[in-house]
Amino acid sequence: EDQVTQSPEALRLQEGESSSLNCSYTVSGLRGLFWYRQDPGKGPEFLFTLYSAGEEKEKERLKATLTKKESFLHITAPKPEDSATYLCAVQGAYQGAQKLVFGQGTRLTINP
Amino acid sequence: GAGVSQSPSNKVTEKGKDVELRCDPISGHTALYWYRQSLGQGLEFLIYFQGNSAPDKSGLPSDRFSAERTGGSVSTLTIQRTQQEDSAVYLCASSRSPNTEAFFGQGTRLTVV
Repeated sequence: EDQVTQSPEALRLQEGESSSLNCSYTVSGLRGLFWYRQDPGKGPEFLFTLYSAGEEKEKERLKATLTKKESFLHITAPKPEDSATYLCAVQGAYQGAQKLVFGQGTRLTINP
Repeated sequence: GAGVSQSPSNKVTEKGKDVELRCDPISGHTALYWYRQSLGQGLEFLIYFQGNSAPDKSGLPSDRFSAERTGGSVSTLTIQRTQQEDSAVYLCASSRSPNTEAFFGQGTRLTVV
């Protein structure tokens, strides 16, 4: 069964203090790995899609990377508005495995 | 509309009543997902529709839960004989095709009293 584990569960950083969030996964044939941001009381907001090991995507202070077993979301010089829960999800390639399987998320707090 | 629309945004119902939750996906999106998120928890998969294929219902927690998608567009999630443990935020998402990013609605917060 496809599984996603995110770590840490929660992370507090000072503004400007860079760090990385981890997403470890097992999937039968990876079709895609997705990162989302979720603010309290809202639906998840799409950030990145990664399809193959070695791929990287960047957006503002965020960079997502992918290996065959895990993905990292690097956050550089974060600001308080980056505070949110970050979710990772995988999608399998085979029939019956095309649903998105989510991790439990990392709750990120950036203190000014 | 530009995004995924869900209605109602909030629903309070009495235990034992039936409820219907609606999802309007982004126009042209062939894949549609329903998830449930309990307070402080991750996203629990419920059901997945892709085009005209048989839906993946493997996440529905009991036979009180059902969903349909009419005309490949609007979807309705129905919960019969609601229980207190059904209280959660129900999220709908759609994507252009199975291997592209899914966009979520704002969710329906269901409270069973």
